[in-house]
Formats: sequence, structure tokens, C-alpha cells
Amino acid sequence: SQKIEQNSEALNIQEGKTATLTCNYTNYSPAYLQWYRQDPGRGPVFLLLIRENEKEKRKERLKVTFDTTLKQSLFHITASQPADSATYLCAPPLLNAGNNRKLIWGLGTSLAVNP
Amino acid sequence: KAGVTQTPRYLIKTRGQQVTLSCSPISGHRSVSWYQQTPGQGLQFLFEYFSETQRNKGNFPGRFSGRQFSNSRSEMNVSTLELGDSALYLCASSRRQGGRTDTQYFGPGTRLTVL
Repeated sequence: SQKIEQNSEALNIQEGKTATLTCNYTNYSPAYLQWYRQDPGRGPVFLLLIRENEKEKRKERLKVTFDTTLKQSLFHITASQPADSATYLCAPPLLNAGNNRKLIWGLGTSLAVNP
Repeated sequence: KAGVTQTPRYLIKTRGQQVTLSCSPISGHRSVSWYQQTPGQGLQFLFEYFSETQRNKGNFPGRFSGRQFSNSRSEMNVSTLELGDSALYLCASSRRQGGRTDTQYFGPGTRLTVL
């Protein structure tokens, strides 16, 4: 069955460093992949979408890559700040038998940026 | 533009009771999805409605049901509550269902506690 895997262990980094989060998917090939940020007790917030024909996408300090051969997406936060501390979720879509898309979600990686 | 709203924000029920949660999507969004989130399971997809029709369904028992009204507002109902139903229930709206991208805009969630 289709599966999404993200770094299960929390990531702790020093302020100013680059955080790199990994999302691996198996048994299917999504046409695109989304990354969301979630703060405790709140709903996820959309950050970036990358399509299968895009190798890399940037938005301010954020960068996402999409390697369809490795079946992997990497999410980078450069010059990290304590305010970047949150859980980051990877969500590629899955087509069902009726050709309707639904997002399937990784468990997320918790990032803590220490001042 | 107002965001996704969910009511109530917090709810305490006892086993065997039923509960109805409400979600108002962003104006112009016709798709509403519901998710259950627990610490160990992450975001679990319940169902998605578009134009008052259920388009996608997750792997939840029949005790979980939903509906969508003509103004795109949605409700979900859980009957015969069990302790394991304690979770954060999130509603998300998107502009199009099955479209080229399905960026989800989440509400703040309803925290349900079953005693």
C-alpha cells in the first residue's frame, strides 16, 4: 500500500543553521507534493507545493526538492530561527479509483530551533 | 477573507453519546475535508465533500458520518462515542476537488475529549 515516511525523531538545530527534513513515499508516484507547518493545537498551514516536473522550489528561506527517482522530497529551512520551531508535514496526493485526489499525510517531523 | 471556522472549539462527552461538529469553509471553497489527529496516528483522513456529495472516504467505522449543505458548510457526526475517539478534529477547505492542486486551508480544530 501507499506509504509516506518522515523523519520520526525530532530535529534539534542551532539558530542560523539549515534544517533539512525528509519525506519518502513508496508504492506510488504523486504528481505533486505539498509541505505544511503545524503548531501545537492548531491546524496545519500550507507552505509550498512542488510538482513532479520541478526539481526545486523556493520561497524566501524555504526550499523544497522533489526527486521522483529516489521517491523523496527534501524540505530545507535556511538561516533558521526559533520561530521556525514547529512540526512539518509532507502531503502528496493519492488518486482513488474514482479519479478523485485526496492528500495522504506523513506523521510529520518536529523541528526545534535553539537560540 | 475569513478563514475556515470550526465550532465548537472544545467538547467533552461521555462514552456512548453522540457529537456533531461544524465547519464553515472559506468563501468560494466548495470542497471540505475532515481529519482526525491523534499524537500517535497523525492526520487521518475521514472524508471529503464537494457539492454536497461525499467524494472520498477514509478507513473509519460507520459511526463517523458527515454531510455538506448547499452553502458548502459541513458537519460531521460521531455516534456511540468511544474513548479512542478523543482527538483533534480538523476541517479543511479547498477551492476545487480533484483539481490540479488541492491546497488545504485548515480550521483551528475541535478538541474532543471522551470520558
